[in-house]
Amino acid sequence: GENVEQHPSTLSVQEGDSAVIKCTYSDSASNYFPWYKQELGKRPQLIIDIRSNVGEKKDQRIAVTLNKTAKHFSLHITETQPEDSAVYFCAAKAPGYSTLTFGKGTMLLVSP
Amino acid sequence: EAQVTQNPRYLITVTGKKLTVTCSQNMNHEYMSWYRQDPGLGLRQIYYSMNVEVTDKGDVPEGYKVSRKEKRNFPLILESPSPNQTSLYFCASKSPPLSNTGELFFGEGSRLTVL
Repeated sequence: GENVEQHPSTLSVQEGDSAVIKCTYSDSASNYFPWYKQELGKRPQLIIDIRSNVGEKKDQRIAVTLNKTAKHFSLHITETQPEDSAVYFCAAKAPGYSTLTFGKGTMLLVSP
Repeated sequence: EAQVTQNPRYLITVTGKKLTVTCSQNMNHEYMSWYRQDPGLGLRQIYYSMNVEVTDKGDVPEGYKVSRKEKRNFPLILESPSPNQTSLYFCASKSPPLSNTGELFFGEGSRLTVL
């Protein structure tokens, strides 16, 4: 089955800095890669996703890049703000499967 | 309002006392799933259901049961809870099940402590 590795497990940045979270996946058939954000005490919520026919996708201060050859994808957050502090999960899904396989999560702390 | 509702949100119980965590969604989603979240281990899938009367094991199904008699409900049953089932549990749903479109909607979570 699919295996998703996520790094780093924790990331501390100063407000205004950029943050990058990286994930690798094992199943070359996977073609859907969402990112979920979980604020403290809340449920995970989808913030951005990318499909394998696209190399990069942006939404305001967040962007996701995908390298299918290397089987890795990354979340980029620019101009970080304290409200970006949360746990971020990457995930991968192969076609014909219903299940998302999640990474172990990255705790991002943005200090004012 | 589209939502996934879990109950109870918090529960402290003792080893061996059967309990059920309910999950209900109002979005007419075919796919429902249960996850447990533990520090350092992320979200691990317990069971999932592609539709009514169709359920399947996830990565960590031992000690759990589920049923899907109605489309909107997907209860998680712990027949004989043990301390290693102390965790934060999330129910989630999406539609359509196999598609790469559509967000996986999570419930608010149920924090279970087994003494």
